[in-house]
Amino acid sequence: GESVGLHLPTLSVQEGDNSIINCAYSNSASDYFIWYKQESGKGPQFIIDIRSNMDKRQGQRVTVLLNKTVKHLSLQIAATQPGDSAVYFCAENIRSGGSNYKLTFGKGTLLTVNP
Amino acid sequence: EAGVVQSPRYKIIEKKQPVAFWCNPISGHNTLYWYLQNLGQGPELLIRYENEEAVDDSQLPKDRFSAERLKGVDSTLKIQPAELGDSAVYLCASSAGRGENIQYFGAGTRLSVL
Repeated sequence: GESVGLHLPTLSVQEGDNSIINCAYSNSASDYFIWYKQESGKGPQFIIDIRSNMDKRQGQRVTVLLNKTVKHLSLQIAATQPGDSAVYFCAENIRSGGSNYKLTFGKGTLLTVNP
Repeated sequence: EAGVVQSPRYKIIEKKQPVAFWCNPISGHNTLYWYLQNLGQGPELLIRYENEEAVDDSQLPKDRFSAERLKGVDSTLKIQPAELGDSAVYLCASSAGRGENIQYFGAGTRLSVL
């Protein structure tokens, strides 16, 4: 069935290091992907998105890479800071015809940044 | 600019009681979503509105859950009667339109059913 999963449920890094969070998806019909950050007690916060016709997109300190061949998505955070500590979700947008679509979230990766 | 506003932030009720959650989306956003989030899991879509029309409610347990968005702005999600397994965070999100538009989430309502 359709699934969006993460290779690493937890990731611990030192402040200043770069972080890489990975995500595998299984639906080749997915045409749009989003990374969200969720801090404790808050709703998911948009970080960066990428369309399926791209393989890389950069934001401020974050880069998303998309490899459609192996259905893999990654989020790279440069110079990780304590404020980056949160759960990170990848989400895939699947179109099912016409205006029908659905954003499906993976389970999430807990990123802990050690000072 | 105000984000998506949800209330209450927390709700504790006994099983079999009714409960309602309220959401005010970002101004101008036509699309509104209700999600359920269990601990340690990603959000799962319950229902999606385009203006006042529920265009996807396939994941909404209609025997006990209901939702409305009468004027195409605010929305209410109701559970009646609540069960122990309904304990979760209920998230509301909104987006400017269809498809690839970014969904912006509220802080959620944490429901505990005792």
